[in-house]
Amino acid sequence: ILNVEQSPQSLHVQEGDSTNFTCSFPSSNFYALHWYRWETAKSPEALFVMTLNGDEKKKGRISATLNTKEGYSYLYIKGSQPEDSATYLCAEKGWGKLQFGAGTQVVVTP
Amino acid sequence: EPEVTQTPSHQVTQMGQEVILRCVPISNHLYFYWYRQILGQKVEFLVSFYNNEISEKSEIFDDQFSVERPDGSNFTLKIRSTKLEDSAMYFCASSGGLQETQYFGPGTRLLVL
Repeated sequence: ILNVEQSPQSLHVQEGDSTNFTCSFPSSNFYALHWYRWETAKSPEALFVMTLNGDEKKKGRISATLNTKEGYSYLYIKGSQPEDSATYLCAEKGWGKLQFGAGTQVVVTP
Repeated sequence: EPEVTQTPSHQVTQMGQEVILRCVPISNHLYFYWYRQILGQKVEFLVSFYNNEISEKSEIFDDQFSVERPDGSNFTLKIRSTKLEDSAMYFCASSGGLQETQYFGPGTRLLVL
């Protein structure tokens, strides 16, 4: 994998359901993996910075895991709410810059 | 809570004109960045800035682009002679350390006609 890839591109979730989606990244020369939550017309909001293989981070109903050996991270949303509707971006951190995936757009319907 | 701000939120300009996009990073941060997102594409890195000089730049960041920190609070991106393909959302970000979280502003949507 040469680029950061996210799947699926979009998903629709019923309120109350849980969901997860994937970020794949080049596993060589890994420094860190960042997750952002981005609502239209707002600043991308930093969710997690993940650095160690096996890392698991949690913020409320959102959590993320990291596997640096195989080059992927999962983001989980438990009990989705309409306010979770956003685009979730992952980015691999090189020495300084962030290399972003295309994002997963999540739409939570009541 | 401290936040990164950007002005203007939208800018429309004619091809060949110069534009300056402005950012006020979080006050105690030391590292500053510009990214952009062309509609339908990924967010892509343009340039990073530390200690009053460019620390890294992408191949996109050619001689038409420049950055400056003219005072203790502002961080600007100048495009000297805009092209149609410069139309994008431009994001400023800042961080307290090289490996710390980058905090993003809300972006400036630039449209070049």
